Amino acid sequence: GAGVSQSPSNKVTEKGKDVELRCDPISGHTALYWYRQSLGQGLEFLIYFQGNSAPDKSGLPSDRFSAERTGGSVSTLTIQRTQQEDSAVYLCASSLPLAETDTQYFGPGTRLTVL
Amino acid sequence: AQSVAQPEDQVNVAEGNPLTVKCTYSVSGNPYLFWYVQYPNRGLQFLLKYITGDNLVKGSYGFEAEFNKSQTSFHLKKPSALVSDSALYFCAVRDIGAGSYQLTFGKGTKLSVIP
Repeated sequence: GAGVSQSPSNKVTEKGKDVELRCDPISGHTALYWYRQSLGQGLEFLIYFQGNSAPDKSGLPSDRFSAERTGGSVSTLTIQRTQQEDSAVYLCASSLPLAETDTQYFGPGTRLTVL
Repeated sequence: AQSVAQPEDQVNVAEGNPLTVKCTYSVSGNPYLFWYVQYPNRGLQFLLKYITGDNLVKGSYGFEAEFNKSQTSFHLKKPSALVSDSALYFCAVRDIGAGSYQLTFGKGTKLSVIP
């Protein structure tokens, strides 16, 4: 079946602008995660959604970052007033809503460049 | 807190030789351990995981990993390397007792298989 999809694949923006990144999880996966991959920082957890529960936002680096998930499926990560240090690849993952052992499957990512 | 260390930034191996990519972890409880591979400009692809049971876990593309609790290690291995195995490999851990679903990743190890 279809995997996790993300759009756009690449985004170039100017400092100070807002950006929205989209993630479509695998059908039937109610758990959804956002991670950020940047040079020198590796992969960092940002936020986690599980069904209708309140999201775990503990990884969001500042209040300029926010995410929502509509209808328990598609998720949008929004970065307001972008800064150059926000440049990174943003990865989305999804997993089944069962035990903690379920594997996270990743999308291809969105490469964000802030000029 | 949970953490992962991949002590080698790069591993070079000749095609046909066995390969090992090292990973050690630290958790407060029992770990769930994962290996992912990333090809250039692609997302992370799941290789294998250890949850419980046999310490030797077999995964995709002929890879396997051995869980060693006393050494807190989960090294990735393959008996005979292929040029197509050249990629970036990430080890990840989830602490079962931490109450969080996020994965903590190592910095990644670049594997180069030389023809």
